[in-house]
Amino acid sequence: KQEVTQIPAALSVPEGENLVLNCSFTDSAIYNLQWFRQDPGKGLTSLLLIQSSQREQTSGRLNASLDKSSGRSTLYIAASQPGDSATYLCAVGQAQGGSEKLVFGKGTKLTVNP
Amino acid sequence: DTGVSQDPRHKITKRGQNVTFRCDPISEHNRLYWYRQTLGQGPEFLTYFQNEAQLEKSRLLSDRFSAERPKGSFSTLEIQRTEQGDSAMYLCASSFAGTEQYFGPGTRLTVT
Repeated sequence: KQEVTQIPAALSVPEGENLVLNCSFTDSAIYNLQWFRQDPGKGLTSLLLIQSSQREQTSGRLNASLDKSSGRSTLYIAASQPGDSATYLCAVGQAQGGSEKLVFGKGTKLTVNP
Repeated sequence: DTGVSQDPRHKITKRGQNVTFRCDPISEHNRLYWYRQTLGQGPEFLTYFQNEAQLEKSRLLSDRFSAERPKGSFSTLEIQRTEQGDSAMYLCASSFAGTEQYFGPGTRLTVT
């Protein structure tokens, strides 16, 4: 059974700092990996999608990497801003069964202090 | 298209009542997913449709839960005889095969 772990569970940083969020998964047979942002009481906003054949994806100040063989992904946020404060969720798409359902970690709650 | 929409956004019901939620996916997406999220946890997969066919159901989806996607468009999720343990955020997502999943705003269910 796939298990996704995100470390740390919570992180507080001053504005302007670069930071890294970590995600690990136990089964390397994944279809893809997505990083999401979730604001309190809201739905999920997709940030980056990495296909299993890719090593990284970039969007603005965000960069996500994937090392499928070691079961790890990182989300790098450059020059953090207070508006980046949210919970960041990592999810792996399962290859079995064809559904590509996502298995999520519990998230990292990020607070960026002005 | 403005994205995935869900209705209602909030639902408060008494234990034992039936509730139904609706999800309207992005129009060109043929895949639709339901997930459930409880406080402090990541979303958990409930069920998946490809067009109108329900192809996978989680063991989390007890006999009290039923989902439909008539004509491969919108989907409904019904919970019969609600229990307090059903209180959660119910999230719908859609995708086109092999691409990223886009989530709706969710329906927050509170069972009193």
